[in-house]
Amino acid sequence: DARVTQTPRDKVTEMGQEVTMRCQPILGHNTVFWYRQTMKQGLELLAYFRNRAPLDDSGMPKDRFSAEMPDATLATLKIQPSEPRDSAVYFCASGRTESNYGYTFGSGTRLTVV
Amino acid sequence: AQSVTQLGSHVSVSEGALVLLRCNYSSSVPPYLFWYVQYPNQGLQLLLKYTTGATLVKGINGFEAEFKKSETSFHLTKPSAHMSDAAEYFCAVSGQGGYQKVTFGTGTKLQVIP
Repeated sequence: DARVTQTPRDKVTEMGQEVTMRCQPILGHNTVFWYRQTMKQGLELLAYFRNRAPLDDSGMPKDRFSAEMPDATLATLKIQPSEPRDSAVYFCASGRTESNYGYTFGSGTRLTVV
Repeated sequence: AQSVTQLGSHVSVSEGALVLLRCNYSSSVPPYLFWYVQYPNQGLQLLLKYTTGATLVKGINGFEAEFKKSETSFHLTKPSAHMSDAAEYFCAVSGQGGYQKVTFGTGTKLQVIP
């Protein structure tokens, strides 16, 4: 089965450090989403891309978060500087624009900022 | 704007009993509706989806859901619960057509009692 690959699986970092999370979408998928999951807020949409172009990143704190797609096989989510409140599981999902028939999620990156 | 409301953050059923997880949606446009399942420490997996056509949709693992426009509901059911069904279930909504932002509910944790 085709998979969305996220790295790293777990990340522990100190407050103030830069964190970069990576996502490899399924080959041929042209839509990529970043979600954050916490117990308190549930699943929050941070940003999404179509054909590598950012369509909406209104869910991200702009002062510290940035999302990019350097190429069709890689999406990145950066936090600089990181804060303890950023501790969460970050999911990447990909799909095809031609049919909104659901998206495939990666296994997530569990981020802990101490 | 679109949203979903999942009634009950925790549901417990006995093994072999009917599973019913409730979801009501709000959408200003005709919706696509989804159910996803999340097992511990994993990403979300698509269970089933309603796009257009038949209002009763069948998914994986014996689950099904019925789209009821008059009730703005999309409840998830399974005739007989299995221990392996214990997980968290998310209802989600989007607009119709290619590429649309997907909004998730807060999730319902299903416990299956032996």
